[in-house]
Amino acid sequence: QSALTQPASVSGSPGQSITISCTGTSSDVGSYSLVSWYQHHPGKAPKLVIYDGIKRPSGVSSRFSGSKSGNTASLTISGLQAEDEADYYCCSYAGNSARVFGTGTKVTVL
Amino acid sequence: EVQLVESGGDLVQPGGSLRLSCAASGFTFSTYWMTWVRQAPGKGLEWVANIKQDGSEKYSVDSVKGRFTISRDNAKNSLYLQMNSLRAEDTAVYYCVRSSGMDVWGQGTTVTVSS
Repeated sequence: QSALTQPASVSGSPGQSITISCTGTSSDVGSYSLVSWYQHHPGKAPKLVIYDGIKRPSGVSSRFSGSKSGNTASLTISGLQAEDEADYYCCSYAGNSARVFGTGTKVTVL
Repeated sequence: EVQLVESGGDLVQPGGSLRLSCAASGFTFSTYWMTWVRQAPGKGLEWVANIKQDGSEKYSVDSVKGRFTISRDNAKNSLYLQMNSLRAEDTAVYYCVRSSGMDVWGQGTTVTVSS
């Protein structure tokens, strides 16, 4: 399985909105509504921020939202805050109970 | 509190073996699929393997097939990863993850494969 494609980096100023894309194929992202997104601060455990493409776990800020179109899923962070600076990874179900992660995106708050 | 605690990471020579453990608490371990995910230095996250609630189904990424074995002991609320024929490219932080949307992660344990 090949990693899903994400931009290496995305940046924005406090208060702005940013969107991270996650491009897969018809065998993973395009076939299932099972894309999740993780926020990862180095040295800490990754944190789930979106699951099933659009759902937010309890306790996760409503500033995080997910969407999907065709073979591409997206994570939008609105009202960007300094604490949002982290690495973000998408992950998709890929059939046969397997999962595939994205290449990761470093978010910088300017 | 829902918690996963990994252990067993170490420095091992190429070709060697290691067994990682993950102790689960705060939830009914036996009712969840469980997963191992790893992150090599400077690289992204990689799904390694997962296992069904009763251990009857196991799946793994192609790069570890035939070398790594995932298992569990529901009586001990524990998940394991037996790693054989280790290679330098297996060097990574290994995370134990609860599989329902991969919503709970441990802090990770570090495996270094080097001579």
